[in-house]
Order: sequence, then C-alpha cells, then structure tokens
Amino acid sequence: AQSVSQHNHHVILSEAASLELGCNYSYGGTVNLFWYVQYPGQHLQLLLKYFSGDPLVKGIKGFEAEFIKSKFSFNLRKPSVQWSDTAEYFCALRTSNAGKSTFGDGTTLTVKP
Amino acid sequence: DVKVTQSSRYLVKRTGEKVFLECVQDMDHENMFWYRQDPGLGLRLIYFSYDVKMKEKGDIPEGYSVSREKKERFSLILESASTNQTSMYLCASSPRVSGRISTGELFFGEGSRLTVL
Repeated sequence: AQSVSQHNHHVILSEAASLELGCNYSYGGTVNLFWYVQYPGQHLQLLLKYFSGDPLVKGIKGFEAEFIKSKFSFNLRKPSVQWSDTAEYFCALRTSNAGKSTFGDGTTLTVKP
Repeated sequence: DVKVTQSSRYLVKRTGEKVFLECVQDMDHENMFWYRQDPGLGLRLIYFSYDVKMKEKGDIPEGYSVSREKKERFSLILESASTNQTSMYLCASSPRVSGRISTGELFFGEGSRLTVL
C-alpha cells in the first residue's frame, strides 16, 4: 500500500528565513506528487505538482519542490518565507494506476513577523 | 475557476441521526472524492467516484455510504452518526485524462464541520 510521510508537524520560522519541508513516500512504481496548502480559514489548494520530466518543479508564491526518485522524496522549499505563508501544508501522492490521492499528516508552518 | 460547493459549513447532529453531506462541482469533472480531515492525521479518503453511479471505497469507508446520481453531485451519507465521526469533511473533484485515471490535481470545497453529540 502507498503511504506519505511528512517529517515535521509544526515549523516556526521568522520572516525571510529559508524553508524546507520534508516529504517521503512509499510506493514502488510510477508516482505523481503534489503539495497542497491550506491558509487559515480557506480551502485546500494546489501549490505545485510533479508528473514527469524535470524533477525540480516550481509552484505559486515562490515555492519549489524537488523530486528525488532514489530517496523517494519530494521536499518543498522556499528561499525566503513571508508572514502570509503561515498555513498548513500537505504532501500527496497519486499512483499512476489509481485516481485517488494519499495525503501526509500535514505540516503547520507559522511565520513570525 | 473550478468551484466545489459543499452544502453545509457547520452541522451539529445527535448520535444515531442520519446525516447527508452534499457536494456540487461546476466544472464537469468525472472524479469526485470525500475525505475527512482530523488534526495530526491529515486527509483520509472515505469514498470516491469516477463516474455517475460508480463508487469505490477509500481507506476508511466504515460507517459511510455515498451516492452519485448526477455527474456534478456527490453525497456522503452517515447512516447512524457516532461521536467518532465528528470531523471536518472535505469534498474534492478532479478531471479525467483517460479511463479511470485523472490528472490527479484535486479541487476542494471549503469543508463541512460535523459535530456529533
């Protein structure tokens, strides 16, 4: 069975600090990977996605993620966070032979102004 | 913009009541999903549907059923609500690329927070 693991449950940073949120998955075949974000009081929305090709993908608001197949990882990065990045972040996996997505437990990011 | 609308933002029900959660999407998506979101547990898939009248169990289907009579509408039913079903319920939809395989990107509604007393 497929699974997704997010290493950090709660991250606290100051503005302008760099961010890296870890995500590892368990599945032996072809995968599609996603990061979703949920800002306070808002619905979940897509931040970025990896389907194939360049393993470094860029998303909205300056976020990027790198797919490292050998490490089964898809870590999210941002060089300089802002207070408005305070949110909950979810890594998700979709295997190529299923329509459903499996989510990690989520990481709450708090950015102090 | 894709819009996924969930009928109720907040519900309070009593143990044993039958509960209906409705979800409507306006982008002609083939796939629809029901997740529940609990602190520290992320999102867990209850049921999903890849076509009208079709449904498949997710990871935690026990105590739930679903109905998809029209393409745009996907309903989650709690036949006899219990306190451990107190949660945030999220509906999502996604388009289909081919067969049962979707692009995978999910579009979410704002959620329905259910409290069972």
